Amino acid sequence: TQLLEQSPQFLSIQEGENLTVYCNSSSVFSSLQWYRQEPGEGPVLLVTVVTGGEVKKLKRLTFQFGDARKDSSLHITAAQPGDTGLYLCAGARGRSNYKLTFGKGTLLTVNP
Amino acid sequence: GAGVSQSPSNKVTEKGKDVELRCDPISGHTALYWYRQSLGQGLEFLIYFQGNSAPDKSGLPSDRFSAERTGGSVSTLTIQRTQQEDSAVYLCASSPRLGTGGPTGEQFFGPGTRLTVL
Repeated sequence: TQLLEQSPQFLSIQEGENLTVYCNSSSVFSSLQWYRQEPGEGPVLLVTVVTGGEVKKLKRLTFQFGDARKDSSLHITAAQPGDTGLYLCAGARGRSNYKLTFGKGTLLTVNP
Repeated sequence: GAGVSQSPSNKVTEKGKDVELRCDPISGHTALYWYRQSLGQGLEFLIYFQGNSAPDKSGLPSDRFSAERTGGSVSTLTIQRTQQEDSAVYLCASSPRLGTGGPTGEQFFGPGTRLTVL
């Protein structure tokens, strides 16, 4: 059973379009992180959200943590080819906050 | 500054052979983590170290997998009698110490070792 479900699994869009990817769970997380991974490299942290209902903006990226801390979304405005990559959400639960549970990821391709 | 480094970057081995994967964390980082990333799967937690001790080995898939860390720095993940299902990218990450940076501290990942078992 996958604790964190990400959707869509694959997304191919044109430069300039907007998109949203989702990370859903039936479990409550104390915090949730979004990472981006490029081929041949390890994931790089984009953001950490910790409060239910929290919204964080990072330039063209907007992250939201659900009120119940069970889900999160990542919205990208005016996507650029440089946004191409695998987007992973990862949740931490309770005292085991070192043990991140990762979703399978959304592979985003932005075509010029 | 130097990030997390892993070696080798690629390893091809024959079924039944033992392999050792190495991780050099960021200098000064006391927490070190090993993950496995299989095709179509998310990152799977294997083990973490705080200093040289491994309080949580619950993610190791079988007793063929072991890991050690010496001098609070370099870590080695050993897979004995490799099987084809062990083929994956093995990622190492480090963080300054457990729980820094808020409820969940940032983990800094290395580029991974791609293991192929023929």
